Amino acid sequence: QKEVEQNSGPLSVPEGAIASLNCTYSDRGSQSFFWYRQYSGKSPELIMSIYSNGDKEDGRFTAQLNKASQYVSLLIRDSQPSDSATYLCAVSMRLLGNQFYFGTGTSLTVIP
Amino acid sequence: ETGVTQSPTHLIKTRGQQVTLRCSSQSGHNTVSWYQQALGQGPQFIFQYYREEENGRGNFPPRFSGLQFPNYSSELNVNALELDDSALYLCASSLPDGLYGYTFGSGTRLTVV
Repeated sequence: QKEVEQNSGPLSVPEGAIASLNCTYSDRGSQSFFWYRQYSGKSPELIMSIYSNGDKEDGRFTAQLNKASQYVSLLIRDSQPSDSATYLCAVSMRLLGNQFYFGTGTSLTVIP
Repeated sequence: ETGVTQSPTHLIKTRGQQVTLRCSSQSGHNTVSWYQQALGQGPQFIFQYYREEENGRGNFPPRFSGLQFPNYSSELNVNALELDDSALYLCASSLPDGLYGYTFGSGTRLTVV
């Protein structure tokens, strides 16, 4: 089992819809979770962090964490074409020295 | 406040050669992590440096090595380059334990021919 797993997609949603991105992780003791956005040819950019079970909202973005299920998700409301990118889930893996491990990323396309 | 800077931005090397990539960390960050990102893949953890010592290593062979300097800048060295080493190499700086997340540089695109 990989440390962090994501559906690679591609995921396509119409403009204005909700995009839902999912991630599972293997280390039950992990405490810190992050979502990064990466445009083609660019480096990852941090968009959300979450540390406690439940929801965390920041503008159009909501991160959801369920540590019992080892599951973290990102919802993007009112999706815009500018949201088209690859979204990377990163987990600080306690059993691996608290380094960040990334999933393979989910490619999102928002169709105007 | 300065961000993370990496150099060079692009590099072409021949198989068997050696390469050094450089990274300056964001102001206030004392931890540097290096990642390799192949096309269509997520970043793969190479190693991390904290207080000039290696503080964790991913599943990469010893020909990948690094350094951190007293000003927290860092180098990634790769010996005996192979074609599969062609990738985007990302440097990320952070506080210890990645508190508040990692800040990435713009990366170095390495092509091995």
